[in-house]
Amino acid sequence: DAGITQSPRHKVTETGTPVTLRCHQTENHRYMYWYRQDPGHGLRLIHYSYGVKDTDKGEVSDGYSVSRSKTEDFLLTLESATSSQTSVYFCAISGGLAGTYTMEQFFGPGTRLTVL
Amino acid sequence: KNEVEQSPQNLTAQEGEFITINCSYSVGISALHWLQQHPGGGIVSLFMLSSGKKKHGRLIATINIQEKHSSLHITASHPRDSAVYICAVTGGGADGLTFGKGTHLIIQP
Repeated sequence: DAGITQSPRHKVTETGTPVTLRCHQTENHRYMYWYRQDPGHGLRLIHYSYGVKDTDKGEVSDGYSVSRSKTEDFLLTLESATSSQTSVYFCAISGGLAGTYTMEQFFGPGTRLTVL
Repeated sequence: KNEVEQSPQNLTAQEGEFITINCSYSVGISALHWLQQHPGGGIVSLFMLSSGKKKHGRLIATINIQEKHSSLHITASHPRDSAVYICAVTGGGADGLTFGKGTHLIIQP
């Protein structure tokens, strides 16, 4: 295992409420990613981080924001959740440790979010 | 934007059969990944390829960079191989992955 945890693992919330999902790694990889997985669409990139405080948008970033204040944590925030954001969210890490490099990605266990 | 196509979308086979899943992409890449996801489960990286061929146990992955095509083969398939197999590509560096929609494989005893 690459030492990635996500919290919470399951969440049900109401439309319009803010939600924050957390990804935590113990591997010190440089890059971190948030993806969502939906039937008919597969997995899609929401946002990614290439270092502390360095983030960029992915394919489906509208309605989401991210923050990375330290290497091990990458937060995904839905400022005002909508039903279209009901999905399974996966965090991933890549890049290798300092002095090494790998493009291999290691995935967290996922968070199932339901917005009513 | 890279377009990643997988075929077939669904595949049911008998135990012991040789399985092939195909993946094609539209734009040059730095690496192609094959991932496995069991029902209700997490995502596991099987292979990462930049060229040629890799083998792990009964699984073999090949890539043809010129033709922008990769194949995943499973020899002597087993019911525990039943899962969704996902192809994904990356341009390298911090780039995220662009995924195919997956192939749902069922191996019947």
